[in-house]
Amino acid sequence: NAGVTQTPKFQVLKTGQSMTLQCAQDMNHEYMSWYRQDPGMGLRLIHYSVGAGITDQGEVPNGYNVSRSTTEDFPLRLLSAAPSQTSVYFCASRGRTARGNNSPLHFGNGTRLTVT
Amino acid sequence: AQKITQTQPGMFVQEKEAVTLDCTYDTSDPSYGLFWYKQPSSGEMIFLIYQGSYDQQNATEGRYSLNFQKARKSANLVISASQLGDSAMYFCAMRVTGANSKLTFGKGITLSVRP
Repeated sequence: NAGVTQTPKFQVLKTGQSMTLQCAQDMNHEYMSWYRQDPGMGLRLIHYSVGAGITDQGEVPNGYNVSRSTTEDFPLRLLSAAPSQTSVYFCASRGRTARGNNSPLHFGNGTRLTVT
Repeated sequence: AQKITQTQPGMFVQEKEAVTLDCTYDTSDPSYGLFWYKQPSSGEMIFLIYQGSYDQQNATEGRYSLNFQKARKSANLVISASQLGDSAMYFCAMRVTGANSKLTFGKGITLSVRP
């Protein structure tokens, strides 16, 4: 059981370049999300999805796009990379529980992105 | 809006001793869940423990327990018998009930275990 798989693990971009961070989960989870982690800031939500075909913005969505064409995949697109997007990116998913609150997020191992 | 506050500076504990990591939260929703995650230096996020707002007893998972004080809006993580492998960053997080329930994180606390 692979869980949540993120690729690549490391990436260096030049300002203005675009790229897609891949995320796939094999747990049939409905909810998927992208966070970025910056020193002293904790984890901040970029975008999330509650099911295939449904996406919404989180706390820091500017400069990022997402799509959810299948339950398994939730790619994050950087349209025109900026140095401010240098960060560690985490994809996470969770299933639905009867109580609604107690299912924890399962995280991928992260992607370390540097924009020069 | 929900808010998680973790204000302790870097924490140090002697191996085999217990340590408490503080977390306070703010929400007007009566139904919510509180989570603690561990992030070792290798970078992965590891789920440790969960406490629901309506749970009558404090949650426990092995050496981890959660000191839940609802009136004070605090959810402190207690690690008993610290081990060197407990050295990591620890994050408190909260999710309220409702559509699109998102997990809001605190800024984290660094714990260092001394041999």
